[in-house]
Amino acid sequence: AQSVTQLDSHVSVSEGTPVLLRCNYSSSYSPSLFWYVQHPNKGLQLLLKYTSAATLVKGINGFEAEFKKSETSFHLTKPSAHMSDAAEYFCVVIRSSARQLTFGSGTQLTVLP
Amino acid sequence: DAMVIQNPRYQVTQFGKPVTLSCSQTLNHNVMYWYQQKSSQAPKLLFHYYDKDFNNEADTPDNFQSRRPNTSFCFLDIRSPGLGDAAMYLCATRGTSGNNEQFFGPGTRLTVL
Repeated sequence: AQSVTQLDSHVSVSEGTPVLLRCNYSSSYSPSLFWYVQHPNKGLQLLLKYTSAATLVKGINGFEAEFKKSETSFHLTKPSAHMSDAAEYFCVVIRSSARQLTFGSGTQLTVLP
Repeated sequence: DAMVIQNPRYQVTQFGKPVTLSCSQTLNHNVMYWYQQKSSQAPKLLFHYYDKDFNNEADTPDNFQSRRPNTSFCFLDIRSPGLGDAAMYLCATRGTSGNNEQFFGPGTRLTVL
């Protein structure tokens, strides 16, 4: 079975400082992994996705993530946080051949001025 | 722009009074999903349609039903809403071209009085 674990429920950074949101996955085969962002009272927007091509994946709004098989990790990073990045972030893995999404528990990112 | 549309964005109903939430898409995707997201939690899949084939998650309460009259539209019916059904309801779609990305609507926030 495929699953993801988001290691931090809340992350707080100052504007202009780096962002690191951590995600570890469990999968019996090479997984498809996604990061989604959700702003308050909004739907989910895809930030980036890994589908066994390049291990460093670049997404929208300056975010990127690196797939590390040896560490079973897919951490999300951004060099410099912006106030508009404050939101909930979900790490997601595809659940087996049914192609359903399995969500992590989410990380709430707060950006301080 | 091709998109996933949910109406209404906010819905208030009374305890036990049936309610229907609507989702439409202009992406011509085969698969449509309904998720329930309670406060500070990850989205939880209720069911999905692959074309006209309905797939119910094992733990989805009988109180929740769905209809998909055509490719573009999908409805979520809650027969007798309880206070515990207050949540954000998210609709998503997916094509079958090999890309596993799901496209989410903005959600409908349901309040039960």
